[in-house]
Amino acid sequence: NAGVTQTPKFQVLKTGQSMTLQCAQDMNHNSMYWYRQDPGMGLRLIYYSASEGTTDKGEVPNGYNVSRLNKREFSLRLESAAPSQTSVYFCASSVKDNEKLFFGSGTQLSVL
Amino acid sequence: QQPVQSPQAVILREGEDAVINCSSSKALYSVHWYRQKHGEAPVFLMILLKGGEQKGHEKISASFNEKKQQSSLYLTASQLSYSGTYFCGTEGSNSGYALNFGKGTSLLVTP
Repeated sequence: NAGVTQTPKFQVLKTGQSMTLQCAQDMNHNSMYWYRQDPGMGLRLIYYSASEGTTDKGEVPNGYNVSRLNKREFSLRLESAAPSQTSVYFCASSVKDNEKLFFGSGTQLSVL
Repeated sequence: QQPVQSPQAVILREGEDAVINCSSSKALYSVHWYRQKHGEAPVFLMILLKGGEQKGHEKISASFNEKKQQSSLYLTASQLSYSGTYFCGTEGSNSGYALNFGKGTSLLVTP
């Protein structure tokens, strides 16, 4: 079982470049989430999707956009990357809101 | 709002016990606990629901004091494999909002 799959695992961007982080889950979960993790800050919610067709802002949404493409896929887009967006990004999913979260392996992003 | 975890870090010898605390300024509906090993994704340990009882996972258990808006994670007879960073995630009483995680507690178990 693949669970939650994130791509890419590593990415280096220059300031101002754009990119999309991909996330897919094969567990038929309804809810999906994007978190960022910075040293000493814990996990902070960027956006989440409680169900297919809906998305909501989390704690730190500025500079990001999301798309819930279908039930399986939830992508995170950086339109114009900034050094402050250097972080490790985790996608997660759950059967429904706030039940057990299953995390992907993470994407380490550096913006120079 | 981000819950507050304490202590920030703890070092144990194998076989010792530890308690990690998580407190919120808001009324809580549930508390989640996750463990993350270095370079890996967080892994679910347990959920405690308002009105629910203490739930355990092997030698790791937790409690949830709804009135005090606090949860505590108990690690007994610690093993080397318990090393990692522990995060609590809280869900407010207005169910439907995603979890807010604390900054984490780093636990190191030494031989």
